[in-house]
Amino acid sequence: GAGVSQSPSNKVTEKGKDVELRCDPISGHTALYWYRQSLGQGLEFLIYFQGNSAPDKSGLPSDRFSAERTGGSVSTLTIQRTQQEDSAVYLCASSLRTGGGYEQYFGPGTRLTVT
Amino acid sequence: GIQVEQSPPDLILQEGANSTLRCNFSDSVNNLQWFHQNPWGQLINLFYIPSGTKQNGRLSATTVATERYSLLYISSSQTTDSGVYFCAVERVGSGGGADGLTFGKGTHLIIQP
Repeated sequence: GAGVSQSPSNKVTEKGKDVELRCDPISGHTALYWYRQSLGQGLEFLIYFQGNSAPDKSGLPSDRFSAERTGGSVSTLTIQRTQQEDSAVYLCASSLRTGGGYEQYFGPGTRLTVT
Repeated sequence: GIQVEQSPPDLILQEGANSTLRCNFSDSVNNLQWFHQNPWGQLINLFYIPSGTKQNGRLSATTVATERYSLLYISSSQTTDSGVYFCAVERVGSGGGADGLTFGKGTHLIIQP
């Protein structure tokens, strides 16, 4: 079946602009995760959703970052007033559910470049 | 938070050689995954192995949860095995929530023809 998909694959934006990144999880997966990969920080966890709920937003790097999920499926990660340090690859993953150590499957990522 | 250490950081081998990659972690886990990141950045699932031993072709993995380490074995290496191998863990949760996966820094493997 189809894997996790993300769009756009690449995004170049000017400092100060807002961007939206989209993730479409594997059908039937109720858990969805956002990560980012940068040269300086490696792979870091940002936020997860169980259904449409995100119980813990403490992993988001700043209050310019927000995420939502609707209908228990597609999720968007929004970065407001982008800064150069936001440049990274943003990865989305999904699993059957959270809380029990379920295998996560990753999408191809969105490469964000802030100029 | 949980710490994940991978070794070696870099490994250069000739085609046909065998290799062992190690992952140490600092707390009890209910999820441990090995990934291969291909040149396009895609994370390819190799093993989901919070405990025990699994094999898939030339690759195998063992996790000793009580001693908090996991090993990934690659036999008869091919040039297509080159890339970065990541170990990632999810610690035993607090109240059913999720901390997400914590990744090690990876092992950069180069297989020379």
